[in-house]
Amino acid sequence: NAGVTQTPKFRVLKTGQSMTLLCAQDMNHEYMYWYRQDPGMGLRLIHYSVGEGTTAKGEVPDGYNVSRLKKQNFLLGLESAAPSQTSVYFCASSRGGIAENSPLHFGNGTRLTVT
Amino acid sequence: GNSVTQMEGPVTLSEEAFLTINCTYTATGYPSLFWYVQYPGEGLQLLLKATKADDKGSNKGFEATYRKETTSFHLEKGSVQVSDSAVYFCALIPMDTGRRALTFGSGTRLQVQP
Repeated sequence: NAGVTQTPKFRVLKTGQSMTLLCAQDMNHEYMYWYRQDPGMGLRLIHYSVGEGTTAKGEVPDGYNVSRLKKQNFLLGLESAAPSQTSVYFCASSRGGIAENSPLHFGNGTRLTVT
Repeated sequence: GNSVTQMEGPVTLSEEAFLTINCTYTATGYPSLFWYVQYPGEGLQLLLKATKADDKGSNKGFEATYRKETTSFHLEKGSVQVSDSAVYFCALIPMDTGRRALTFGSGTRLQVQP
């Protein structure tokens, strides 16, 4: 039971570099989410997807792009990394929408440092 | 807007002590309320939830009661164990805005000493 798998686990980038974080889920969930976790601020929603081929902005979308070409994958891209994007990134998925109270299943996180 | 406020940590307790982690919220309408737990090196997991006023969520010895009059959802456990050491997040979904994701509090770290 893999659940939600995030790659990579750790990454260090220089300012201006780009990278893509990959999230894969094997539970056939419709909904997928990207959050960032910063000290003292809890988790904040970056982008989310309600199904294959769809994406939507969350609370803090600036500087990030996402794609959901396949139902099981949700990619988070940083086109030009900035030190303010140093954070721990969590992917999550859920069977139904949050309004249905479907619990979120989280990956183990990606720790990104931008120097 | 919608927000969740949790007590600052870390909370340090001895094994078998009583635990309370405070959570209050601000939301339009009547939100559903959740507690998630994050063990070291892992993602968050749902611990318990309550979807309407006076509901009590419970799991693994933890309990929380949805108090509309005080807009609170405090987490309690009668006797903590070392294995309960983790970060606990209170969260809500406002039910009248159609928003599709959770709003989380900042988290409270619990450290239980043997």
